[in-house]
Amino acid sequence: NAGVTQTPKFQVLKTGQSMTLQCAQDMNHNSMYWYRQDPGMGLRLIYYSASEGTTDKGEVPNGYNVSRLNKREFSLRLESAAPSQTSVYFCASSEDPSEYNEQFFGPGTRLTVL
Amino acid sequence: QKEVEQDPGPLSVPEGAIVSLNCTYSNSAFQYFMWYRQYSRKGPELLMYTYSSGNKEDGRFTAQVDKSSKYISLFIRDSQPSDSATYLCAMEGIQGAQKLVFGQGTRLTINP
Repeated sequence: NAGVTQTPKFQVLKTGQSMTLQCAQDMNHNSMYWYRQDPGMGLRLIYYSASEGTTDKGEVPNGYNVSRLNKREFSLRLESAAPSQTSVYFCASSEDPSEYNEQFFGPGTRLTVL
Repeated sequence: QKEVEQDPGPLSVPEGAIVSLNCTYSNSAFQYFMWYRQYSRKGPELLMYTYSSGNKEDGRFTAQVDKSSKYISLFIRDSQPSDSATYLCAMEGIQGAQKLVFGQGTRLTINP
């Protein structure tokens, strides 16, 4: 099992460019999440999907959109990148939203917006 | 004020020392308390979790939760260089929402 995979690993964008971060999990988990990690801020939830077909906003959703493509895949889109979106982005998944479950994280995507 | 506060460190101790990492929180609705370990340039991985108040031990690691003081701790005994990482506390309250709130993370270095 690969667990949670993310592509790309690194990306440099110019202000105003768009891009999609891809995430896939092979653990048959129902719930998936997107976080960003900034120095001194810990991880902050951007969007999550409790189950296939549903998405909901987290703490910092502005400037992002998500798509739960199927049970395995959850993508994060930046429509018009801004320097404030320079961060490390982590995708995570967990088994069942109805009770506490461990969240498993991917290796992250390091994004720089110039 | 952040919902979860964690001293970012950095914290540097000699091998074999007992390490204490702490978080405070303000939301009394939190019920699940977690510690994640994150090695450099990797994703976080769950180290321990505790439900409500009390202690939980796993090998050299002990997690404590004091809900009356809104304070959680992670103790590492006989610390090893391989324990060098960033430790993040995380909390979750509303059952079913799975919306974790993380502390800022403490960067720990164990010196041989």
